[in-house]
Amino acid sequence: KAGVTQTPRYLIKTRGQQVTLSCSPISGHRSVSWYQQTPGQGLQFLFEYFSETQRNKGNFPGRFSGRQFSNSRSEMNVSTLELGDSALYLCASSLSPGGVNEQFFGPGTRLTVL
Amino acid sequence: QKEVEQNSGPLSVPEGAIASLNCTYSDRGSQSFFWYRQYSGKSPELIMFIYSNGDKEDGRFTAQLNKASQYVSLLIRDSQPSDSATYLCAVTQAAGNKLTFGGGTRVLVKP
Repeated sequence: KAGVTQTPRYLIKTRGQQVTLSCSPISGHRSVSWYQQTPGQGLQFLFEYFSETQRNKGNFPGRFSGRQFSNSRSEMNVSTLELGDSALYLCASSLSPGGVNEQFFGPGTRLTVL
Repeated sequence: QKEVEQNSGPLSVPEGAIASLNCTYSDRGSQSFFWYRQYSGKSPELIMFIYSNGDKEDGRFTAQLNKASQYVSLLIRDSQPSDSATYLCAVTQAAGNKLTFGGGTRVLVKP
């Protein structure tokens, strides 16, 4: 069974630009969660989608948004990029929402904001 | 108080020894507990999950859960240099139903 895939793997943007990251979950998984990982803050929860609905949201500004499609693929968007948005963005898929089941992570997208 | 706390380490253990990692959590209603391993530059990979009080063994790994004391631990027996990584504890919070990660414990296994 193929794992979680994320595209692109690496991205370089400048301040003020916007970016869209994509995540394809494991086949059959309908829950997708997004995390931001930085050396100083660790793994921070962004949001979770299940059946095309945002189920939960972390403590991030409105510049961070996401959506999920009917095939469970998910995208997250960051608008008006800031230097502090440089991070590894990870998505994880699971069978059910709410952290009940184990989550499986994709390889991540490394975003650098210059 | 952080929701999930871990000692950042590094925890240095000799090859062949037991590495003991601890994690405490604040939400008494938490029900699901996970341990992930993350190698430098890689994404986290699931090692174990535990839902009930007591011990759960899988190969060289043992997870221990004590809900009354609100801690979960991970033991790595016969530690190998390939076990050198950061270990992340994750807890599903009853309030909000989301998975919250600790800051991770860095483990160094020295030959």
